[in-house]
Amino acid sequence: AQSVSQHNHHVILSEAASLELGCNYSYGGTVNLFWYVQYPGQHLQLLLKYFSGDPLVKGIKGFEAEFIKSKFSFNLRKPSVQWSDTAEYFCAAGSSNTGKLIFGQGTTLQVKP
Amino acid sequence: DAGVIQSPRHEVTEMGQEVTLRCKPISGHNSLFWYRQTMMRGLELLIYFNNNVPIDDSGMPEDRFSAKMPNASFSTLKIQPSEPRDSAVYFCASSGDGYYGYTFGSGTRLTVV
Repeated sequence: AQSVSQHNHHVILSEAASLELGCNYSYGGTVNLFWYVQYPGQHLQLLLKYFSGDPLVKGIKGFEAEFIKSKFSFNLRKPSVQWSDTAEYFCAAGSSNTGKLIFGQGTTLQVKP
Repeated sequence: DAGVIQSPRHEVTEMGQEVTLRCKPISGHNSLFWYRQTMMRGLELLIYFNNNVPIDDSGMPEDRFSAKMPNASFSTLKIQPSEPRDSAVYFCASSGDGYYGYTFGSGTRLTVV
């Protein structure tokens, strides 16, 4: 069965700390991977995506993610978080054949000033 | 581009009433998705359309839920009759194709009392 699992449900960091959010997927065939961010009271916005090529993907606002095929993982990282990064983060996996995305449960990140 | 437009932004209704949520996808996008977001279950895909045709409605929880896409620029999600457990944020998203991820609307926060 297709699934996306995010290990951390709630993460609290101080400003300037480094961030790593875990994501593992179970998906048959060629998979496309995404990270979305949802700021409080807002809709989901695309942070970054991976389809093929360089497994280290850089997105907006200093975020990056690394695709490790052998581990079925696509972890999100940021070297130094800011208070404005407080949001919920969703990992998603999909197939270009269907266009359908499966989302993880989400991780709430709280950054303390 | 105005993005994906959903209406209403908020809806409060009494149990048993019919509720209709509306979505206008981005012009030129040929896939449209309806998601429901709750604290308990996270983001759930309810149904998606490709070229106005429903492709997968396996996520529609019950017969009380129905969705239509009469043309490329409009979709509705209807709940009849509504129940308190339907209270959630309902997101519509559209995509040009499966490669590039989705663009989400701002969502409709539904409260059934």
